[in-house]
Amino acid sequence: AQTVTQSQPEMSVQEAETVTLSCTYDTSENNYYLFWYKQPPSRQMILVIRQEAYKQQNATENRFSVNFQKAAKSFSLKISDSQLGDTAMYFCAFMKLPNTGNQFYFGTGTSLTVIP
Amino acid sequence: GAGVSQSPRYKVAKRGQDVALRCDPISGHVSLFWYQQALGQGPEFLTYFQNEAQLDKSGLPSDRFFAERPEGSVSTLKIQRTQQEDSAVYLCASNKGRLNEKLFFGSGTQLSVL
Repeated sequence: AQTVTQSQPEMSVQEAETVTLSCTYDTSENNYYLFWYKQPPSRQMILVIRQEAYKQQNATENRFSVNFQKAAKSFSLKISDSQLGDTAMYFCAFMKLPNTGNQFYFGTGTSLTVIP
Repeated sequence: GAGVSQSPRYKVAKRGQDVALRCDPISGHVSLFWYQQALGQGPEFLTYFQNEAQLDKSGLPSDRFFAERPEGSVSTLKIQRTQQEDSAVYLCASNKGRLNEKLFFGSGTQLSVL
């Protein structure tokens, strides 16, 4: 079975500063994807960034980047130049490959508040 | 449609009532998923459809939960004889069914059972 652990239930950051959200996972699989999803108060889960396990290079999307440590099974999210609109719940997710159905596993989330 | 649409957005039910939650996926998306998100938790898998076929229902917590997608588009999640522990946000997600593709989520239905 796969498990995803987010050990920080709540975090806060000053606007324009940088914050890092932690995620660890446990799996015996070698091929998988990792995701960070954002869930604002509207409840809609929005994909922030995705990392393929076979790629050593860390994924980057504008102000969002990850630190993927496959051996340590760690997948942290760094948000640079934090903006008020980044305030949301952030979920780390694991997807087993090949994905033919229910192979998505989510962590319990980190509530991020950006302080003006 | 432009996105995954779920209705109602909020549902309050008395314990013992039956409820039906609707999901309208993105047009052309063959795969559809239902997740249950309890307060303070991440989404947990309930069931998965590929077109009209329900390929996995291993996450449904009891036989009071039933899902269908008769024409391979709109899906309905039905909960019979609701209990307080059924209170949660029910999220629907869809994708084109290609391997490795991300999920597109709706905004969920928040169910409160009194």
